[in-house]
Amino acid sequence: EAGVTQFPSHSVIEKGQTVTLRCDPISGHDNLYWYRRVMGKEIKFLLHFVKESKQDESGMPNNRFLAERTGGTYSTLKVQPAELEDSGVYFCASSQVISGSSHEQFFGPGTRLTVL
Amino acid sequence: LAKTTQPISMDSYEGQEVNITCSHNNIATNDYITWYQQFPSQGPRFIIQGYKTKVTNEVASLFIPADRKSSTLSLPRVSLSDTAVYYCLVGDPMDSNYQLIWGAGTKLIIKP
Repeated sequence: EAGVTQFPSHSVIEKGQTVTLRCDPISGHDNLYWYRRVMGKEIKFLLHFVKESKQDESGMPNNRFLAERTGGTYSTLKVQPAELEDSGVYFCASSQVISGSSHEQFFGPGTRLTVL
Repeated sequence: LAKTTQPISMDSYEGQEVNITCSHNNIATNDYITWYQQFPSQGPRFIIQGYKTKVTNEVASLFIPADRKSSTLSLPRVSLSDTAVYYCLVGDPMDSNYQLIWGAGTKLIIKP
């Protein structure tokens, strides 16, 4: 079974440009999460989808970030316009809560975003 | 949300048992303790999760004392490939707003 995939693996853009990151969760997983690690800092939660609905977007840094999950399958995270401080690694994770089992989030490899 | 405290780094040798302790003094009644492993340039990977006493799986054991204010991840007979960052996290997986709150983790270096 395929794991969580993210595209692109790397992106280098200039300040002011727009970038869209994509995450394909494990098939059948209702929960989809976005996290970010800025250089030298800890991984931070951005938001959580349950199917196509935003369950919690309290971690989104500002309105330059827009996440969508149309149809409850893959998700996109758009940064527009990008700023220097947006550089970092963006992780996506998915999970499916099964009663009696551990609540494990499966992570993708991340997208490394560099804003110049 | 409960925060965790772990050693910044540790090292050990191949074949040894490694124990990493995590403090979570403010753990809530419904919180579980979860450990993740992360290799460079990869996403974190779930290792183990527990609520109390002891949990064991094919890769690790998790020891949780009765007061649940700390926990210890035990890696038996480590190898060079166990060199990674290990994160201890607490939270209520049944909470609809469950999210992972990350600390700095423990950088484990295994030497030959």
